[in-house]
Amino acid sequence: AQSVTQLGSHVSVSEGALVLLRCNYSSSVPPYLFWYVQYPNQGLQLLLKYTTGATLVKGINGFEAEFKKSETSFHLTKPSAHMSDAAEYFCAVSWNNNDMRFGAGTRLTVKP
Amino acid sequence: DAGVTQSPTHLIKTRGQHVTLRCSPISGHKSVSWYQQVLGQGPQFIFQYYEKEERGRGNFPDRFSARQFPNYSSELNVNALLLGDSALYLCASSLADPIVGYTFGSGTRLTVV
Repeated sequence: AQSVTQLGSHVSVSEGALVLLRCNYSSSVPPYLFWYVQYPNQGLQLLLKYTTGATLVKGINGFEAEFKKSETSFHLTKPSAHMSDAAEYFCAVSWNNNDMRFGAGTRLTVKP
Repeated sequence: DAGVTQSPTHLIKTRGQHVTLRCSPISGHKSVSWYQQVLGQGPQFIFQYYEKEERGRGNFPDRFSARQFPNYSSELNVNALLLGDSALYLCASSLADPIVGYTFGSGTRLTVV
C-alpha cells in the first residue's frame, strides 16, 4: 500500500542550527510531494511542493526540500532555525488529483 | 482576500447525534476537500468535490457524507456520531487542479461525548 513515513515524531534543535525533517514515501511511481506547517489551533499552511522539474524546491520562510527519486525521499531543511519555526510539520504526497496522503507529522521544537 | 472559512469553529455533540460542518472556499476555487485530523496524527482524506461532483472518497464509513453547492461551498455531514469521531475537521480548497496545493481552513473542532 502506498504510504508516507516521517521519521521522528519530535525534533529539537537550537536556535540558529540546521533543521532537517525527514519524509519517505513508498511507491515505484513518483508522486507529487508537499510540505505543510501547522501552528497550534490553526489549519495547515503550504510550505513548498514538488510536481515536476527541478528536484530542489524552495519554499516560504527559508525552507527547502529535495526530491530524491532513488531514495524515495523528500526531506525538508532550513539552514538556521528561528524560534518562530516551532510548529508541527507534515509531509504529504498525492498520486492522483483526488486525494492527498499525509504523514503522521513531526513536531519541531526550537530551543533558545 | 478571505481564506477558506469553516463553521462552526468548535462544537460538542452527544453520541448518536448528527452534525453538519460547513466550508466556504477561496473565491474562484472550485475544488473542496475534507480531512479528519485526530489528535496527534496527520490529516486523513475523507472527500474531494469538484464542480459539485464527488471526485474521491477516503476510507470512511457511510455515516460520513458531503455535498458541494453551486457557489462551491460545501457541507460535511456525519450521522450516528461515535466517540472516535472526535477530531479536527479540515476543509481545503484549490483551483481546478488541486495538485497546485490546497489552502486549508482553520478547521472545526468536534468533540463527541
